[in-house]
This record gives sequence, C-alpha cells and structure tokens, in this order.
Amino acid sequence: AQSVAQPEDQVNVAEGNPLTVKCTYSVSGNPYLFWYVQYPNRGLQFLLKYITGDNLVKGSYGFEAEFNKSQTSFHLKKPSALVSDSALYFCAVRDENGNNRLAFGKGNQVVVIP
Amino acid sequence: EPEVTQTPSHQVTQMGQEVILRCVPISNHLYFYWYRQILGQKVEFLVSFYNNEISEKSEIFDDQFSVERPDGSNFTLKIRSTKLEDSAMYFCASSGERSNNQPQHFGDGTRLSIL
Repeated sequence: AQSVAQPEDQVNVAEGNPLTVKCTYSVSGNPYLFWYVQYPNRGLQFLLKYITGDNLVKGSYGFEAEFNKSQTSFHLKKPSALVSDSALYFCAVRDENGNNRLAFGKGNQVVVIP
Repeated sequence: EPEVTQTPSHQVTQMGQEVILRCVPISNHLYFYWYRQILGQKVEFLVSFYNNEISEKSEIFDDQFSVERPDGSNFTLKIRSTKLEDSAMYFCASSGERSNNQPQHFGDGTRLSIL
C-alpha cells in the first residue's frame, strides 16, 4: 500500500527566506505525487503534481517541488516565503495501478515569521 | 473557478443517530470521493464513487457508511448509527477523469461532532 512520510511537525522560516517542506513516499510502481495546502477552516487546495517528465515541477503561488526517485522524495520548495504562506501542507501519493485513493502524509504546519 | 461545496459546515449529532453529509461536486466531474480527518491525524481515504457505484473503499468504510448520488448534482455520505469515534472533519472531493494524473478538488469540509 502506498504511504507518505512528512518527518517534521512544524517548519519555521523568516519571511523572505527559502522554504522547504519535506516528503518521502512509498509506493509500488511509479508514483503520482501531489502537494496540497490547507488554510484554517478550509479544505485542501491543490498546489502541484508530479506524474512524469521533468523532475522539477512548478505550481501555484510560486511553489515548486523536486522529484527524486533514488531518494523517494518529493520536497516542496519556495525561494522566498511570505507571511501568507503560513498554513498546513500535505503531501499525497497515488500508485499507477488504477487505484484512485490518495494516501496523505500527516501534514506540516508552516509558520512564516515576519 | 468552480468549487466543491459541502453542507453543513458543522454538524452536531447524538451518538446512535443517523447523519447525512452533503456535497455538490464540480459540475463536469465524474469521480467522487470522501475522506476524513480526525483531529490531529492524517487525512484518510474512505470511498470513491463512479458511474453510480462504489469503485473503491477503505477498511474504515464499514456497513455503517453508505454513499449515494441521488440526483445529477449531489453526492452524500450517510452514517447510520454514529459513534463517538466518527467525530472528524469529512471532506468531499471530485475529479474529472479516472486517470491518476488528475488532481482531486476538495470542499471545505463538514465538521462532525458526536456527543
């Protein structure tokens, strides 16, 4: 069964500094990887995905993520964090075998300090 | 931009009572999902639904749970006899295609509190 690990509980970063949120995955076959963001009292908003092709994928709000097959990782990055990026970030994976369920990590709280 | 909408935003129910959570998926989407998030825990898959039938369900989705698409727009989750441990945030999601590269779009959730 597919699974995701997000090792950190909270990521603190100063405004303007680079932001990284870590994610590693486990799946049989090729992974389909997703990042979602959750603001307070809201649902999960899709940020970006990796399916195939270029290992660096770009998404909404200036976020990008790098797929690393050898390390089974899909870390989320933003070159310059904003206070408004403070939210809960979830990594998710599906397998390629027609299984539509998303397996989520536990989420990382990102706090951007002004 | 089209959205998935869920009602109510908060539902308080006595243990043992039936509850129905409602969702209106994005209008041209074909695949529908329910997930739940117990406070402080991971988002967990419950069920997926396509072509008027369940396509996949998790071990959480036992006989107490059912889903229905009663008309062309609504997608509902029913819990027949609620338990305290059913207290969670329930998210509905939809996607346009079954291919795994399409993202699922989520509603804002219904917070279910069982007393």
